Amino acid sequence: GESVGLHLPTLSVQEGDNSIINCAYSNSASDYFIWYKQESGKGPQFIIDIRSNMDKRQGQRVTVLLNKTVKHLSLQIAATQPGDSAVYFCAESPGGGNKLTFGTGTQLKVEL
Amino acid sequence: SQTIHQWPATLVQPVGSPLSLECTVEGTSNPNLYWYRQAAGRGLQLLFYSVGIGQISSEVPQNLSASRPQDRQFILSSKKLLLSDSGFYLCAWSQKNQGDDEQFFGPGTRLTVL
Repeated sequence: GESVGLHLPTLSVQEGDNSIINCAYSNSASDYFIWYKQESGKGPQFIIDIRSNMDKRQGQRVTVLLNKTVKHLSLQIAATQPGDSAVYFCAESPGGGNKLTFGTGTQLKVEL
Repeated sequence: SQTIHQWPATLVQPVGSPLSLECTVEGTSNPNLYWYRQAAGRGLQLLFYSVGIGQISSEVPQNLSASRPQDRQFILSSKKLLLSDSGFYLCAWSQKNQGDDEQFFGPGTRLTVL
């Protein structure tokens, strides 16, 4: 069946470095993609989203890149801070009010 | 602004006991509602979703059930808990008829079945 998965289960970066978290999706009908951040013991929080008619979108210190040709999504975090330590999930949807399908998550660890 | 509440925050229950987790949303009407379960160190598994009062769709066969007695209330239940029901339960909502499908999550309930 269709699925969304992540390449790396754990990513360790030094404070101040840039982080890149990757996600592969297999549903070619996916129209909407979203990244969530989940801190330990808390619910996921929205970071940034992107629609399939775009290939890049920037937020505050975060950038999402979408490559529809290879069905790849990435989240870039600039100047990673200790507060960025969390599990990051990508999710996709065919749009039109359909449910989100979540990836398995990547644990980001920021080392001082 | 919209807010979503879940309670209890944590729960320890013996095997075979019943379960009732509650989720309520404020500041919006006629939302889509979702129940997810998250095992330790794992991703989110969608259990149930609802598009309206009394309308429940089950994603996976399991020992749990869901109900939506009011527009902004979503309840997760079980008659007899199993050890495998332990996990972090998350409720979420989304708006209908919007261009995007962003879901907003509650704080979660940590359930431990002993």
